[in-house]
Amino acid sequence: RKEVEQDPGPFNVPEGATVAFNCTYSNSASQSFFWYRQDCRKEPKLLMSVYSSGNEDGRFTAQLNRASQYISLLIRDSKLSDSATYLCVTRSTLTFGKGTMLLVSP
Amino acid sequence: EAGVAQSPRYKIIEKRQSVAFWCNPISGHATLYWYQQILGQGPKLLIQFQNNGVVDDSQLPKDRFSAERLKGVDSTLKIQPAKLEDSAVYLCASSLENVQYFGPGTRLTVT
Repeated sequence: RKEVEQDPGPFNVPEGATVAFNCTYSNSASQSFFWYRQDCRKEPKLLMSVYSSGNEDGRFTAQLNRASQYISLLIRDSKLSDSATYLCVTRSTLTFGKGTMLLVSP
Repeated sequence: EAGVAQSPRYKIIEKRQSVAFWCNPISGHATLYWYQQILGQGPKLLIQFQNNGVVDDSQLPKDRFSAERLKGVDSTLKIQPAKLEDSAVYLCASSLENVQYFGPGTRLTVT
């Protein structure tokens, strides 16, 4: 099992839809997690930290499920500008997933 | 606040040639990282520095890759000799605590 796994997608959704991605991790000792957003041919940019208690920032919600060893990212009311690749990373080993591509269409 | 700076932005070389990349982290960030991102993949950590010391270089192909951060600020990453499979974007990142901030990357093409 790879240390961090993500469904590569693409997830094709219409504007206004709610979409969720998961990221599974194998190292049960991992403590800190982050979601990054990466636009085409750009560098990754921090989207959210993932706390044990969950974290919400506007339309974005990140959650951690330690029992099942995955983190999730929920995007509500999708915008065209949300189209990007979403990367998860475990801070302890600095291992990134391959990313999940989201395409939001009009 | 200035972000992470990298140069060059693009580089095309032939296999077996040498190449070097430069990174200037965010001022005050003690930790600096070099990542390799191949198309369609997530960034892969090559090396992590804390000030001028190496924290983790377990995934650095040391037969051809080297990196240094002599004064604990700027860093260079070198490849010698390059192979076709080294074609990728080389990302530099820095952090003060947990959050990493990435530079724009250097896109390397080896022909």
